Amino acid sequence: DSGVTQTPKHLITATGQRVTLRCSPRSGDLSVYWYQQSLDQGLQFLIHYYNGEERAKGNILERFSAQQFPDLHSELNLSSLELGDSALYFCASSPGGQPNEKLFFGSGTQLSVL
Amino acid sequence: AQTVTQSQPEMSVQEAETVTLSCTYDTSESDYYLFWYKQPPSRQMILVIRQEAYKQQNATENRFSVNFQKAAKSFSLKISDSQLGDAAMYFCAYRTYDKVIFGPGTSLSVIP
Repeated sequence: DSGVTQTPKHLITATGQRVTLRCSPRSGDLSVYWYQQSLDQGLQFLIHYYNGEERAKGNILERFSAQQFPDLHSELNLSSLELGDSALYFCASSPGGQPNEKLFFGSGTQLSVL
Repeated sequence: AQTVTQSQPEMSVQEAETVTLSCTYDTSESDYYLFWYKQPPSRQMILVIRQEAYKQQNATENRFSVNFQKAAKSFSLKISDSQLGDAAMYFCAYRTYDKVIFGPGTSLSVIP
């Protein structure tokens, strides 16, 4: 158990809909990262939050947004969903933003857009 | 741009043999770390090994070791005495203060 909790584990929705994925980092971890992993693909970096502030953006679509709350949990909002958004969405946390820190991954949210 | 390349989409190795997975990266940063993560069929991400860019000595963790060539921006993973449980996707990753960028992965099969 990594200590990172992602909910829900599975989500099935229709095109055009909006969903919210939730991530609770390990206790005390200030950094939260979001990744998208499509079928048989690598992990695409979406966004990094540190202590409530956006720190870096990756290949995140304009239809997607995220935030980190004062209690450090984070939410990833996906809107106007398309079939191609179907993927496994990972959240990962680390204590701070230091390059030497390993990432602790949640078990992911499997999103299926029908 | 920061990129990570893994040129071998698939590899296979006989049980008890040694296999090397390749990784190259591109960056202009001076302060960074390199990681190898393993993703078994359960899809859980597991840290295998990490390497500090400042250290010339290659990192080792039991049967796993790296060959870090900073000038060539190369970071390969060697798995010795391969076991059936080593079968998984292996991702090379590059981390700075802001981002952790993963390569496309290498799928490793272990043949009994």
